[in-house]
Amino acid sequence: EAQVTQNPRYLITVTGKKLTVTCSQNMNHEYMSWYRQDPGLGLRQIYYSMNVEVTDKGDVPEGYKVSRKEKRNFPLILESPSPNQTSLYFCASTVQGGAYNSPLHFGNGTRLTVT
Amino acid sequence: AQKITQTQPGMFVQEKEAVTLDCTYDTSDPSYGLFWYKQPSSGEMIFLIYQGSYDQQNATEGRYSLNFQKARKSANLVISASQLGDSAMYFCAMREGWSNQFYFGTGTSLTVIP
Repeated sequence: EAQVTQNPRYLITVTGKKLTVTCSQNMNHEYMSWYRQDPGLGLRQIYYSMNVEVTDKGDVPEGYKVSRKEKRNFPLILESPSPNQTSLYFCASTVQGGAYNSPLHFGNGTRLTVT
Repeated sequence: AQKITQTQPGMFVQEKEAVTLDCTYDTSDPSYGLFWYKQPSSGEMIFLIYQGSYDQQNATEGRYSLNFQKARKSANLVISASQLGDSAMYFCAMREGWSNQFYFGTGTSLTVIP
């Protein structure tokens, strides 16, 4: 089944404790992206990647890191989480290369709470 | 400037009635795609319907249709014969051809009343 898999679904952590949210897709998509969703603000892009070893900042990159060592994986790293990073996070992927008719495929989301 | 604007934070509709969710967009790229997603209370994002900038006809997918008015830069989602299961958050999104970037609106929360 074609899908984007992100883990964990729920995560409660404390301020400053490094964490990684994993994301993997099996559709051979070049484009992958991370979003955070907060009430009233919609989805805001954190980082995106157009291919292996190519990553770029989105609208709200501060406090986050990503890497794209393999095409299928795009982990999100919070080196020192803070309470303002409490949010619902989505990983998504799609076809690259001018295919503006290709929708984003989303993972099921990770609800992160930082205390 | 906002790329995608959804001006209705919340909407109510009677079961079996039709409802229109508004979406306006802003781009100077002649090639773009417009998407609608549904997010039920369980949280996942479900792709509903797509409209391309060069499409001559409005997109339809079952009970979902898109009222695409290119000159007005609007792409409103129409849900016909609303069902209780349509209660959810709905997001409008645009993908620009030149940048390949996606832009999302702030969403509209739809509640279907029995």
